[in-house]
Amino acid sequence: EPEVTQTPSHQVTQMGQEVILRCVPISNHLYFYWYRQILGQKVEFLVSFYNNEISEKSEIFDDQFSVERPDGSNFTLKIRSTKLEDSAMYFCANHAGSPTEETQYFGPGTRLLVL
Amino acid sequence: KQEVTQIPAALSVPEGENLVLNCSFTDSAIYNLQWFRQDPGKGLTSLLLIQSSQREQTSGRLNASLDKSSGRSTLYIAASQPGDSATYLCAGGYYGGSQGNLIFGKGTKLSVKP
Repeated sequence: EPEVTQTPSHQVTQMGQEVILRCVPISNHLYFYWYRQILGQKVEFLVSFYNNEISEKSEIFDDQFSVERPDGSNFTLKIRSTKLEDSAMYFCANHAGSPTEETQYFGPGTRLLVL
Repeated sequence: KQEVTQIPAALSVPEGENLVLNCSFTDSAIYNLQWFRQDPGKGLTSLLLIQSSQREQTSGRLNASLDKSSGRSTLYIAASQPGDSATYLCAGGYYGGSQGNLIFGKGTKLSVKP
């Protein structure tokens, strides 16, 4: 079974600091997503990424967030100037082919705590 | 606005019981519906994917159905086991915008008692 991996598994940061969450997608799976889940809440879509550009972003994904594939393999989510309300579990997901036909494979998540 | 709702929020059953988890969605412009399992503090494991043109999908003891006209999906678990204890999430993929982003329900937390 192919796997998406994420690092770190846990991160604690001070409010106002920048964090970078990393995802290693499944090889040759070209559609990438970030979701987040605040404790006790629904999983929420943040952003989708394909062909080296953002396909869609939600209202949550404001200017403090950015994504990139710095080396053509890893997929990162950067949060500039973190806020208390950014504390959540962040999941990376990806799939290979058509968005309407493919199962999304999720990573184990990064638990971010902003103090 | 597209919404996915899951009822009940929690369910406790004795081992061996067959059970049904419910998912409803507000917009019939759905291209697929996925069921996931989430263990505490863990990621999401995909269980079943149903395309909008399909009525059901089966994998082992799991069977998921989709009725677009009524805006409902169910996940049937046969002969439940303690290892099935987890939170089950359904998520709809919708047409419009850039396809791929999923709208999730809040989940049903299942506890199977030995």
